[in-house]
Parts: sequence; C-alpha cells; structure tokens
Amino acid sequence: QVQLQESGPGLVKPSETLSLTCTVSGDSLTNYYWSWIRQSPGKGLEWIGYVYYNSGSTSYSPSLKSRVTISEHTSKSQFFLELRSVTAADTAVYYCARGKTRNALLRTWGQGTLVTVSS
Amino acid sequence: DIQMTQSPSSLSASVGDRVTITCQASQNIRNYLNWFQHKPGRAPRLLISDASNLETGVPSRFRGSGSGTDFTLTISSLQPEDVATYYCQECDDLFTFGPGTKVDIK
Repeated sequence: QVQLQESGPGLVKPSETLSLTCTVSGDSLTNYYWSWIRQSPGKGLEWIGYVYYNSGSTSYSPSLKSRVTISEHTSKSQFFLELRSVTAADTAVYYCARGKTRNALLRTWGQGTLVTVSS
Repeated sequence: DIQMTQSPSSLSASVGDRVTITCQASQNIRNYLNWFQHKPGRAPRLLISDASNLETGVPSRFRGSGSGTDFTLTISSLQPEDVATYYCQECDDLFTFGPGTKVDIK
C-alpha cells in the first residue's frame, strides 16, 4: 500500500524559501500526478500545484504560480515543493498527494507537515 | 477562474439525521467534482469523485449527485464518526476547493 510522507523545516524566515520533500513508499512515481496542497490556520484547503511524472509537466495555482516550483526525483521516489519569498501568510499545514487521473487528482494523501513562517 | 461556493458553512444534526450539503460552481464543470472529508489532525479523505462515484471503502450512507454547476453531498444517516469538515473541489480547471461545511452532532 502506497504511503506518502512530507518532510522539511518546520520554521522558515520571511522572504526565504520554503522547501519540502514528499517521500513515496510502496509504489513508484510512474503514471501518477503528484500534488501539493496546504491549509492555513483557520482556513480551508488550497491546491498549490502538481507534477505529472510521465512527462514532467506541471500545473500551478495562479495565485502562487510566480513563487512555486514542483519537481520530482525519480530514483529516490521523492517529489518536492519550493515556495519562494514566503510571508506569514504562507504559514500552513502542507500536504502531498497523488492521483492517477486529473478527475481524482488527490486520491491518496500524506499526513501533512506544519510550516511556520516567522523571524 | 472557477469559483466554488458551499452551503451551509456549518450545520449541527442528530445521529441518524439526513444531512445535505450543496456546492455550486461559477461555471459549468460537467461532472468534474470531488468531495472530501477532513477531520482535525488527519489527512483529508476523498469520498466521491466525478460527482457521484463513491470511493472504495467509503460507507454507502454517503452519496453525491449533480452536474453542471449544482452538486449535492448527502449523508443518509449521520453517524458520530462523520463529524468533520466537508469540501467540494472542481477538477475541470484549477482544482479549486469550496470553503467547506463543518458538520457537528447536536
């Protein structure tokens, strides 16, 4: 059974870059969409973007597109989130997720990791 | 961009009650609509894809319906373990979530 685990710094300073890793076990990255989603305190869910392993193509939320890069590292069964120039508004629980198709993009989720942006 | 709305924003019902949550898209999204259940401290769970397809392992008391711009999630008999926030999400454009509906037990 596939498992996803987010990892990365729990504290990032304003204006710096937030970098997270999602490690996949129990399956390969092949033929799946790999997404990042976040939930700010007291707010709802926000889709950040995805990378499609087979082609390396990406898609991002317009509100974050200028600051986000999602990429994969095939041999290590990992994919990554980079969010640049962070502010306190980027404080959130960040989740990674996978799906076979765009219709069910977020079928399997990791447990999430809290990232706080503060000096 | 497609905007998603949900109503109500919260509700409180008794065990065994029928609960209905509505979701509206700002434009036609055909049946490209998913429903998620999110409990505090847990990962969100995909309940229904393509507006009405129940995911494996999801209890049959959950039902999704609708197409175009108007969608509904129905819990036929509310159970204590259904306390959660429920989100709709469109999959036709940029995967926008609705604002959520918080469900509690009265």
